[in-house]
Amino acid sequence: ETGVTQSPTHLIKTRGQQVTLRCSSQSGHNTVSWYQQALGQGPQFIFQYYREEENGRGNFPPRFSGLQFPNYSSELNVNALELDDSALYLCASSQGRDGTEAFFGQGTRLTVV
Amino acid sequence: AQSVTQLGSHVSVSEGALVLLRCNYSSSVPPYLFWYVQYPNQGLQLLLKYTTGATLVKGINGFEAEFKKSETSFHLTKPSAHMSDAAEYFCAAHGQNFVFGPGTRLSVLP
Repeated sequence: ETGVTQSPTHLIKTRGQQVTLRCSSQSGHNTVSWYQQALGQGPQFIFQYYREEENGRGNFPPRFSGLQFPNYSSELNVNALELDDSALYLCASSQGRDGTEAFFGQGTRLTVV
Repeated sequence: AQSVTQLGSHVSVSEGALVLLRCNYSSSVPPYLFWYVQYPNQGLQLLLKYTTGATLVKGINGFEAEFKKSETSFHLTKPSAHMSDAAEYFCAAHGQNFVFGPGTRLSVLP
């Protein structure tokens, strides 16, 4: 158990819909990063939030957006879902901007049909 | 930009045999290096990491890895495989964020 919880664990959406994924960071952590892991691939960095501000973004389109709240929990929002968005979405929490001491949640499995 | 390669998408070993999973990184500045394990339908669990100092790093479950700057490698080893080691293994480099390799699926045969 890492103390990082993600919800929901699974969900199915239709192409074109919008989805919100949630992550509660480990106590004492102020940084949250999101990763997309397509089937059979390694995780890909989406973006990172540090103290409620975006602190780095990977090569993902603007329809991927996020938020970090004052309690350092975070949301990942994806608009206009595409079939290729089907993946495991992982959240990692850490203390400090560099994010190396990261703990990963169990992930949310998103299926777009 | 950093990149991480893992030679062999699937490795099979017999129980009790040596496990060797290969990882090479591409970076002008050696990054922090990590190995994570992922069991089916689960998140990532840290096995070990190299930041600075001793180049031979010991991790959990009997795994260790050696950082070799001259070879830009960070291979993962375990002297004796156990059935419970069967999982997906990811090597990762961290500069500003984690850059993961494509993963190696380890199968352990009885």
